[in-house]
Amino acid sequence: QQPVQSPQAVILREGEDAVINCSSSKALYSVHWYRQKHGEAPVFLMILLKGGEQKGHEKISASFNEKKQQSSLYLTASQLSYSGTYFCGTRTGNQFYFGTGTSLTVIP
Amino acid sequence: DAGVIQSPRHEVTEMGQEVTLRCKPISGHDYLFWYRQTMMRGLELLIYFNNNVPIDDSGMPEDRFSAKMPNASFSTLKIQPSEPRDSAVYFCASSFIGGHSDTQYFGPGTRLTVL
Repeated sequence: QQPVQSPQAVILREGEDAVINCSSSKALYSVHWYRQKHGEAPVFLMILLKGGEQKGHEKISASFNEKKQQSSLYLTASQLSYSGTYFCGTRTGNQFYFGTGTSLTVIP
Repeated sequence: DAGVIQSPRHEVTEMGQEVTLRCKPISGHDYLFWYRQTMMRGLELLIYFNNNVPIDDSGMPEDRFSAKMPNASFSTLKIQPSEPRDSAVYFCASSFIGGHSDTQYFGPGTRLTVL
């Protein structure tokens, strides 16, 4: 079952914050986040394992609530380079899925 | 490591022709995934292998699609005969699912256009 992401699209001004959510109808073992720029392959950002952990990398962090089968990606003080489409990827047992994607555009 | 390598990067063919896409995963990775991406359907998992064995091919659209992994360093995705609706970017990704890591590393993709 493909995870559902929200919002589908968001436009930010440089320096603003954003939250992207990923929800699954199935119990999750792990959630990973990717960013894809136009015409390029998805690039890994971070992975979260069940256990409700939270991770951060510079101004991008994420949380994973396994009870709610949800993950959120937090982008703070956004930069122009953050523009792209963000995907969550999930694993449930031996099943792998990618989310519907969130288009994020950062404008000056 | 050079990362996941895919060839060709671009392929233009006519309807009815056979198309073969190739992928070399990262050395040491034990999982290999084939994806298709279109504007309409987003990123779709077609098939994945574990230790060269196909595990789940439920995403393969129809019998015209087939995938093989004869050894740990090479996989092919074949479409025969090709149709215009097969036009998409096809990504190969590999992963080492050991310990707690199941990050997928994507190749640059093959842009397929079927006329």
